[in-house]
Amino acid sequence: AQSVAQPEDQVNVAEGNPLTVKCTYSVSGNPYLFWYVQYPNRGLQFLLKYITGDNLVKGSYGFEAEFNKSQTSFHLKKPSALVSDSALYFCAVSAGKTGGFKTIFGAGTRLFVKA
Amino acid sequence: DAGVIQSPRHEVTEMGQEVTLRCKPISGHNSLFWYRQTMMRGLELLIYFNNNVPIDDSGMPEDRFSAKMPNASFSTLKIQPSEPRDSAVYFCASKGGEQFFGPGTRLTVL
Repeated sequence: AQSVAQPEDQVNVAEGNPLTVKCTYSVSGNPYLFWYVQYPNRGLQFLLKYITGDNLVKGSYGFEAEFNKSQTSFHLKKPSALVSDSALYFCAVSAGKTGGFKTIFGAGTRLFVKA
Repeated sequence: DAGVIQSPRHEVTEMGQEVTLRCKPISGHNSLFWYRQTMMRGLELLIYFNNNVPIDDSGMPEDRFSAKMPNASFSTLKIQPSEPRDSAVYFCASKGGEQFFGPGTRLTVL
């Protein structure tokens, strides 16, 4: 069965500092991995995905994520945080072709960036 | 494309009333998902369709909930009768590669 864990309910970082939001997953076969962001009173917005290829994936708004197969992790990173990055971040995993069409979302991590 | 469209955006109703939420997916996407989001339970997958066929409805909380997808451009989620614990934001998402979410319907059951 697929599962995804976001071990931190909240991450606090100062503006200008690097940020990391953690995600680990469990899936049979090759994983399809995603990050989404949710701003207040909005739906989830796609940030980036890993399907295959380079382990470092670049996405929207300067975010990137690193796929680590041995650690089954897909941590979201940004070199320099902005106050406007404050939002709720969701990691998601799909088993791709072997998993049908179902994508499992983590519980979400709230990011606070302080000025 | 206008993205995933949901209506209404807000719904306030009284306990026992029927509620129907509507979703128009992105044209060409063949998978559609209904989610519920609350502070207590986070984001929950209720049901998803592929090519208009329900694939997995194991997340539907009880028989009061039902969902249909009569064609590729329209889906409904119905709650009958509604209860206060159904109050949540309900999202529809459609999938081409990654999922695209609608703006959500905020449901309040009094």
